[in-house]
Amino acid sequence: DGGITQSPKYLFRKEGQNVTLSCEQNLNHDAMYWYRQDPGQGLRLIYYSQIVNDFQKGDIAEGYSVSREKKESFPLTVTSAQKNPTAFYLCASSYGSGNEQFFGPGTRLTVL
Amino acid sequence: ILNVEQSPQSLHVQEGDSTNFTCSFPSSNFYALHWYRWETAKSPEALFVMTLNGDEKKKGRISATLNTKEGYSYLYIKGSQPEDSATYLCALGDGSSNTGKLIFGQGTTLQVKP
Repeated sequence: DGGITQSPKYLFRKEGQNVTLSCEQNLNHDAMYWYRQDPGQGLRLIYYSQIVNDFQKGDIAEGYSVSREKKESFPLTVTSAQKNPTAFYLCASSYGSGNEQFFGPGTRLTVL
Repeated sequence: ILNVEQSPQSLHVQEGDSTNFTCSFPSSNFYALHWYRWETAKSPEALFVMTLNGDEKKKGRISATLNTKEGYSYLYIKGSQPEDSATYLCALGDGSSNTGKLIFGQGTTLQVKP
């Protein structure tokens, strides 16, 4: 089955720790995206990548970092510099920029 | 940052009712308008991607229209069913460059009562 997987589903982190969220897709999509959702707000773009070895900051990139070493994978690291990391994180991919995006199941991160 | 507004924020209807939601966006720098359905405990799924002024798209009982000159899109659901209960998201494709960047509205949450 083709699709996008995110792991883990739930993640707990202590303040001051970095944590990496996994996103893998087997849809052969070039473009991948990371979004954050907070209560009462729309999805906000953190980082996106149009091709391997290239990525750009979205609207709320501060305190986050990404890599795109493989077409299938786009991990997101939430660093200790992110002041309010508790949120729901969604990864998505698309076949070329501008086309419909396919979303993973999400990871809920809680900072204790 | 461009602003995408959706109204109403939530909606409760009876099974069989028809309903519609609005997505408003700045008409400058338009590239594309996406609609997604997000059911509880599932991932958002694309309904439509619309690019041309006057576009009308349909999928079963759901249809959407687009007016890029005045900056709005309507999503219609004819004869709502309980399985239509979900949050409906619209997203504006940033037209300043074809990057795939989407700016999402806050969503309209629909509850259909049997």
